[in-house]
Amino acid sequence: EDQVTQSPEALRLQEGESSSLNCSYTVSGLRGLFWYRQDPGKGPEFLFTLYSAGEEKEKERLKATLTKKESFLHITAPKPEDSATYLCAVQAGGSGSSNYKLTFGKGTLLTVNP
Amino acid sequence: ETGVTQTPRHLVMGMTNKKSLKCEQHLGHNAMYWYKQSAKKPLELMFVYSLEERVENNSVPSRFSPECPNSSHLFLHLHTLQPEDSALYLCASSDGLAGGATYEQYFGPGTRLTVT
Repeated sequence: EDQVTQSPEALRLQEGESSSLNCSYTVSGLRGLFWYRQDPGKGPEFLFTLYSAGEEKEKERLKATLTKKESFLHITAPKPEDSATYLCAVQAGGSGSSNYKLTFGKGTLLTVNP
Repeated sequence: ETGVTQTPRHLVMGMTNKKSLKCEQHLGHNAMYWYKQSAKKPLELMFVYSLEERVENNSVPSRFSPECPNSSHLFLHLHTLQPEDSALYLCASSDGLAGGATYEQYFGPGTRLTVT
């Protein structure tokens, strides 16, 4: 069974204090790993897709990296507007339900204080 | 309208009521999804439609009944719900479900459902 574990559950940073969020996964053949941002009372907003170990993607202050067992979301010099819950999800390889099924973690609640 | 829209945004219903949630996507996608998001739990996939055909019914109780009349619209009909069904219900859409590909799912803002 595919599993996704995110840590920490909650992270509080001062503005400008860089840090990383972790997403550990077990999946039968990774087809893709996704990062989403979710603000309170809203739906998840797509950030990145990573496909293979060693891949990196960046968007503004966020950089996502991928290894064979985990992914990191690095946040450089965060601002209060980066406060949100960050969700990680994996899609397994194969056929059938693998074509659409994402396994999500519980998320990391990030709070950035001014 | 752009992206994925959902109505209503908030819904309070009694256990004997019947109500429907509506989702519309403006992204030209042909797959649509219903998810349930409860506090402290990961998103739970409920239903998946591809080209208006249901391809997944993830052991969801029959008091939840989906309907997909076309590739842009998705409904979730609710009846005789239980208090534990209170949650955020999210709709998502993606490109088609061809084998071997990876498709990002784009989410709507959700409907916050409270069952009293």
